[in-house]
Amino acid sequence: DTGVSQDPRHKITKRGQNVTFRCDPISEHNRLYWYRQTLGQGPEFLTYFQNEAQLEKSRLLSDRFSAERPKGSFSTLEIQRTEQGDSAMYLCASSLAIGGEQYFGPGTRLTVT
Amino acid sequence: EDQVTQSPEALRLQEGESSSLNCSYTVSGLRGLFWYRQDPGKGPEFLFTLYSAGEEKEKERLKATLTKKESFLHITAPKPEDSATYLCAGGTGANSKLTFGKGITLSVRP
Repeated sequence: DTGVSQDPRHKITKRGQNVTFRCDPISEHNRLYWYRQTLGQGPEFLTYFQNEAQLEKSRLLSDRFSAERPKGSFSTLEIQRTEQGDSAMYLCASSLAIGGEQYFGPGTRLTVT
Repeated sequence: EDQVTQSPEALRLQEGESSSLNCSYTVSGLRGLFWYRQDPGKGPEFLFTLYSAGEEKEKERLKATLTKKESFLHITAPKPEDSATYLCAGGTGANSKLTFGKGITLSVRP
């Protein structure tokens, strides 16, 4: 069990550019979650998938954000036309089916200049 | 709106000085109460899940308890390596969405 992995670990981009992050969940975990965490705050829920289906999206997820999980394996989170307010740690987590505890990856820290 | 509040925001202890961290919650349809540990620059590390009032779980120097409105994380004889931010979260909808508090930053001095 290698745990949840995320790539890249750090990303610096200029305002207006698009960025994409990848998350590989623990194998056999069919639920995958994305959260965003800013300094001094707890993680905030963005969206989650069961297998390849995106089942819930937070109102925090504006039209510039899109997430996919093709074939129910890895997931990508894309942010288009980045803004300085998008600077945060983006965390991915996975769990076994219903009610399982969520295991988090190391996160991708995004800095928008 | 679901809300999780943790107190105090920061706690400084001497090694061996036991204490408790508080998590109060107003989460409709709570399915589970979760505790995580987070070290700087890393993702949260799962510690405990509590499902019903009166439940307790222990792991090394940590013990988590749950009432109908609050959860406590008791730290017995802490060591410097226990220094971290401790996050509490309420799970709803088959625990598909976790609502986190801001966390409590614990510092244990040798």
